[in-house]
Amino acid sequence: DGGITQSPKYLFRKEGQNVTLSCEQNLNHDAMYWYRQDPGQGLRLIYYSQIVNDFQKGDIAEGYSVSREKKESFPLTVTSAQKNPTAFYLCASSIQGSNSPLHFGNGTRLTVT
Amino acid sequence: GDSVTQMEGPVTLSEEAFLTINCTYTATGYPSLFWYVQYPGEGLQLLLKATKADDKGSNKGFEATYRKETTSFHLEKGSVQVSDSAVYFCALIREGRRALTFGSGTRLQVQP
Repeated sequence: DGGITQSPKYLFRKEGQNVTLSCEQNLNHDAMYWYRQDPGQGLRLIYYSQIVNDFQKGDIAEGYSVSREKKESFPLTVTSAQKNPTAFYLCASSIQGSNSPLHFGNGTRLTVT
Repeated sequence: GDSVTQMEGPVTLSEEAFLTINCTYTATGYPSLFWYVQYPGEGLQLLLKATKADDKGSNKGFEATYRKETTSFHLEKGSVQVSDSAVYFCALIREGRRALTFGSGTRLQVQP
C-alpha cells in the first residue's frame, strides 16, 4: 500500500541536542511538506519541497533544517536553535498543483526536556 | 495574508445529533477549500473539498458548500456517530500558492 511513513512515533531528547525526524513516501509525489502542530494553533508550515534538491522555508523555519536528496525522503532536523521544539510534527506529500490534496503521515511527537 | 477561522471547540454532541462546524476564510481571489479530519494519534485525512463558488463537497455523510458571498465553508452532518469523534480542520489554498493554510481545528466529541 502506498503512503507516508514517519518514524519514530515518539521521540525524546535533551535540550541542546539536534534531532532528525524521518519522512518517507512511496506515492511518487513530487511535493513534500513539514508542518508543526501545537494545541489550539492548527498546523503551521515549517518547510516544503516541490522537487528533489530544492526546498523552501515556510512560515516558521527558524531552528529547523531539511534536505531532499531523494524524491521519497524529506527528513527534518530540529536544531538546538529552535526555542520551543516540543510539538507534534506532521509530514505530508502531494502531486503538483494547488488543488491536489495532501497525504499525511501519522506524525512524530517530539518531547525535549 | 490568507487566514482561516474556525469555531472553538470542543463541540460535544449526542449520537444522531446534527453537526455544524463553522469555517470562514480571508483570501483574495477564489481559493480552493478543504476539510481534513484527524483521529487521535494520527495524521490528517482529506474529508472533502470544493474548488469553486457554490460547489458542494461531500463524503461519508459530511457536506460543505463553498459560499463566496459569506466567505464560508461550514461543515455539516445530519446524524453523527461516536466514530466521528475527531479534530476537524478547515483549510484553503490559492492558485499558485505553495501550501495549504489551516484553521486551528475544532474538536468534536460524540457521546453514545
